[in-house]
Amino acid sequence: NAGVTQTPKFQVLKTGQSMTLQCAQDMNHEYMSWYRQDPGMGLRLIHYSVGAGITDQGEVPNGYNVSRSTTEDFPLRLLSAAPSQTSVYFCASSPMLGNSPLHFGNGTRLTVT
Amino acid sequence: DQQVKQNSPSLSVQEGRISILNCDYTNSMFDYFLWYKKYPAEGPTFLISISSIKDKNEDGRFTVFLNKSAKHLSLHIVPSQPGDSAVYFCAASGRSGGSNYKLTFGKGTLLTVNP
Repeated sequence: NAGVTQTPKFQVLKTGQSMTLQCAQDMNHEYMSWYRQDPGMGLRLIHYSVGAGITDQGEVPNGYNVSRSTTEDFPLRLLSAAPSQTSVYFCASSPMLGNSPLHFGNGTRLTVT
Repeated sequence: DQQVKQNSPSLSVQEGRISILNCDYTNSMFDYFLWYKKYPAEGPTFLISISSIKDKNEDGRFTVFLNKSAKHLSLHIVPSQPGDSAVYFCAASGRSGGSNYKLTFGKGTLLTVNP
């Protein structure tokens, strides 16, 4: 079972460049989300989705866009990268069944110079 | 304003002893609490959870205790093993804002179990 797959694993961008972090899950989970992990800050929610066509903002959404056209995929777009977006990004999913734990991917380490 | 706090950035214990990781929360709407374990270069993995209707949940070597009046939970690992060395995140969710699926995480505690 693949679970939650994130690509790429590593990425270096220059300030102002754009890119898309990919996330796919094969568990038919309705709920998907993106977190960023920074030293001393824990995990902070960027955006989330409760189903195809439905997205909403989390705690730190500025500078990021998301869309959810299928149940399986939830890409995160950086339109104009900034050094403050240097972080490790984690995608996670769960079924919408009461209290279900999140399943995380292995992360994308992004550096913006 | 941090709603989930892990005040100990690190903890070191001897193999075979008990590890106790602590977590405090401020939002009284939280009613579901989880612990995640994270190894370097991997995503967090779910360890154990507890609902606010309980005060204890046990799974093998791992036990989570919840004290709702103190807004405090703890994770006990007995006996600790070197493979338990990882960062442990406390997380909470509740029905505020209409969603009980959004998790709020603490900053994590690095546990080191020495052989």
